[in-house]
Parts: sequence; C-alpha cells; structure tokens
Amino acid sequence: GAGVSQSPSNKVTEKGKDVELRCDPISGHTALYWYRQSLGQGLEFLIYFQGNSAPDKSGLPSDRFSAERTGGSVSTLTIQRTQQEDSAVYLCASHHGANTGELFFGEGSRLTVL
Amino acid sequence: AQKVTQAQTEISVVEKEDVTLDCVYETRDTTYYLFWYKQPPSGELVFLIRRNSFDEQNEISGRYSWNFQKSTSSFNFTITASQVVDSAVYFCALSGPNTGNQFYFGTGTSLTVIP
Repeated sequence: GAGVSQSPSNKVTEKGKDVELRCDPISGHTALYWYRQSLGQGLEFLIYFQGNSAPDKSGLPSDRFSAERTGGSVSTLTIQRTQQEDSAVYLCASHHGANTGELFFGEGSRLTVL
Repeated sequence: AQKVTQAQTEISVVEKEDVTLDCVYETRDTTYYLFWYKQPPSGELVFLIRRNSFDEQNEISGRYSWNFQKSTSSFNFTITASQVVDSAVYFCALSGPNTGNQFYFGTGTSLTVIP
C-alpha cells in the first residue's frame, strides 16, 4: 500500500483478554518498528525487526508482549492477559533499511483495557 | 549511549510569534542522522526533516527552519510567524548505523499556538 497500515484503529477489551494488533508496512521496507505511546507521553520503543535478522526485543515491557513478522512483511503485536496499564496507542513504523531514510508511521491502534 | 533531550515539555505562544523548539542529542558515532516529526492532534506522526551529521548547513522550508550545531550537539527547530495549525507535539529523533538503525526519540515538546 501507499503507507503503513494498522488495524484495528481502536480496540476495547476486558482485563485479562489477549489482543492482537496488526501492522502492514510500506512495500519493500525491510525494517519495522513498534512503539507505544501512553496518553500525553512520548514514544516508548517496543521491538524492531530488520530483514531476516533476529528482532531487537529489548523494549518489550514484559513477557506478556510478543511480536512476529511473517515473510518479512506484515507484523503482529500480541499482548496476552491485558492489564489496564497496557492502554495506549500502539504505533507501527517502517523504514527501507538504509541509513538515509526516515521512519514512516501508521495511524496507530488505540487500545483501551477496561 | 544514544540519547535525545527535549527539555521543553510544553510551550504556548500567541499566533504570529516565532518559537524555537530545542533538541540536544548525545552520541559517540561520527555518522548519524537527526530527524524532526510533528504529531498533530489527529495522532499520526508526520516527518518534517532529516539531517545527516556531515551536513551542518541550516535549512529553511517556508516558515520552518532548522539549526544544526555539532559543537553544541543541538538540532533546534524554529517556526516563524506561528499559526494555530502548528499546534502539535514535536519530536526530535536520532539514528545511525552503529545503533543498528534504532531510532531514539526525545520526549516531545507540546506546542500550543493561541489565536
């Protein structure tokens, strides 16, 4: 597609449920990032995929969070046993992998845990 | 260590005033890239500018200008004659080949332009 696509745009779930957030990066972009932005806060890095390399998972806040990227394209961020503090906007961004380019962001998935 | 500091959390200006948003970075790399992004109330981050470490020329784009000074590790952003549509959160970011292409964002500066 023309830009980074994320779905769902809004998700309301009950505490304890699992959620999956999807990101479809710009075609040909080898790098994909997930960030979390809580209300009024900055960007918190979660995970980074680059080509076939092992992902950088150093930002995942707990083992309830995981992400995968299939076929070097679409990525899914999974949050298990959601907690209220997981409520945030989850932003996906992609990058063509060279050092000269900028990150392109999706519109985000707003997660609300009741 | 790589770090970006945006010391100004919130700024309010009256329309038509000029405003400068500060960005100070830390890196041990000699090659790196600096970015500014705008996040309007709608939420989507919009890329504004990229600057590489070898190019210290200041840049002007309409009412926007950027001042890159390696001597002070700063990459400040000035909006001239601000408008209400400039109200947004602005993020400065740093990336580079020695950080595995990881992007380091500042905490953002929330700009409110009062009509």
